Amino acid sequence: GQNIDQPTEMTATEGAIVQINCTYQTSGFNGLFWYQQHAGEAPTFLSYNVLDGLEEKGRFSSFLSRSKGYSYLLLKELQMKDSASYLCAGLEDDYKLSFGAGTTVTVRA
Amino acid sequence: IAGITQAPTSQILAAGRRMTLRCTQDMRHNAMYWYRQDLGLGLRLIHYSNTAGTTGKGEVPDGYSVSRANTDDFPLTLASAVPSQTSVYFCASSLLAGGSNEQFFGPGTRLTVL
Repeated sequence: GQNIDQPTEMTATEGAIVQINCTYQTSGFNGLFWYQQHAGEAPTFLSYNVLDGLEEKGRFSSFLSRSKGYSYLLLKELQMKDSASYLCAGLEDDYKLSFGAGTTVTVRA
Repeated sequence: IAGITQAPTSQILAAGRRMTLRCTQDMRHNAMYWYRQDLGLGLRLIHYSNTAGTTGKGEVPDGYSVSRANTDDFPLTLASAVPSQTSVYFCASSLLAGGSNEQFFGPGTRLTVL
């Protein structure tokens, strides 16, 4: 199985940058996903990393270090609509996604 | 239908009753999944299906059963509901199992067992 750890809450100001860290311990690791979930809604896909390095997609970037069992999601130029829960999930073998409890990000004006 | 749908949206159920949560996708995805989401615990995989006709157990399968008679439908059944099964249930699908195949989630079913 996998053990996924991420902070419970983070607060940042509109226009700022926030970095959400995620550590994982896993067997059969096959990649790491980040999902965004607004309150009362379904999770939606943000990014997938399987190789070490940074993947950039607009204002969002995700980083992976397989040797350190570590990932982060970087949110730049924060907007009010970015207030949501961000879920780190490790893919084990070919099918099993193990999710962390999620990090609630609050963006303040 | 566009994407993945779930029914009902919410349900209050007496303990001991049988309940089936429905999930349908029209994206011709091969893999489908059922998760439950509880405060502070995140999403946990209940059952999955890599392709029509096959199913497997996830992290928390006890008390739940699934079937996958065709590509589109993946119902989740609680044979005899208990209060600890109060949760929000999400169905998801992906084109294939594993790799970079992102999972698309349905809107969820909020289930309360009294």
